[in-house]
Amino acid sequence: DTAVSQTPKYLVTQMGNDKSIKCEQNLGHDTMYWYKQDSKKFLKIMFSYNNKELIINETVPNRFSPKSPDKAHLNLHINSLELGDSAVYFCASTPQVMNTEAFFGQGTRLTVV
Amino acid sequence: AQKVTQAQTEISVVEKEDVTLDCVYETRDTTYYLFWYKQPPSGELVFLIRRNSFDEQNEISGRYSWNFQKSTSSFNFTITASQVVDSAVYFCALGFQGAQKLVFGQGTRLTINP
Repeated sequence: DTAVSQTPKYLVTQMGNDKSIKCEQNLGHDTMYWYKQDSKKFLKIMFSYNNKELIINETVPNRFSPKSPDKAHLNLHINSLELGDSAVYFCASTPQVMNTEAFFGQGTRLTVV
Repeated sequence: AQKVTQAQTEISVVEKEDVTLDCVYETRDTTYYLFWYKQPPSGELVFLIRRNSFDEQNEISGRYSWNFQKSTSSFNFTITASQVVDSAVYFCALGFQGAQKLVFGQGTRLTINP
């Protein structure tokens, strides 16, 4: 069983469209995250949620809206996609405390054309 | 401010050579956690090791070893007798209590040539 799964793995879409990426974890973790990896491989936190509540929003444009229907799911919705949104988006989860490793999904490669 | 610096952008060695990947971190927290992740060409992020700030003991796991030195704020990673399968991007990351996030270094692209 995959611990953290994201869908889709690849997403190609036109500028201006709205798209969603889904993430689910079956580890019973309390905290989930979205990270963005840009074309230079730099990984940066976007959001973190703890028990369905937003705890970190790292100056992400409000076109990005995370939604956590329950603590096992954290979806990412992106409105009015722009070329600069092209990146790999990783979902991750941890227990509430940071003293264990984060488990990452396989990533979603978003290409905006 | 919390920051992780991996000064080596790319390293290329011949198989069987030993290679060390450097990681220097900055934080004012007294409790923090250091991690290494591997990102092979397939793209997933693979956890390698975690160290907390109170445990400076070095660790060896097979061909991999880690050297944690608080005095120099470094957490370096050595691969002994490198193999082609070690080719990947390696990330050092910093986590800390009360802030639910990891701060990543820029990554080091390691290429092992046959």
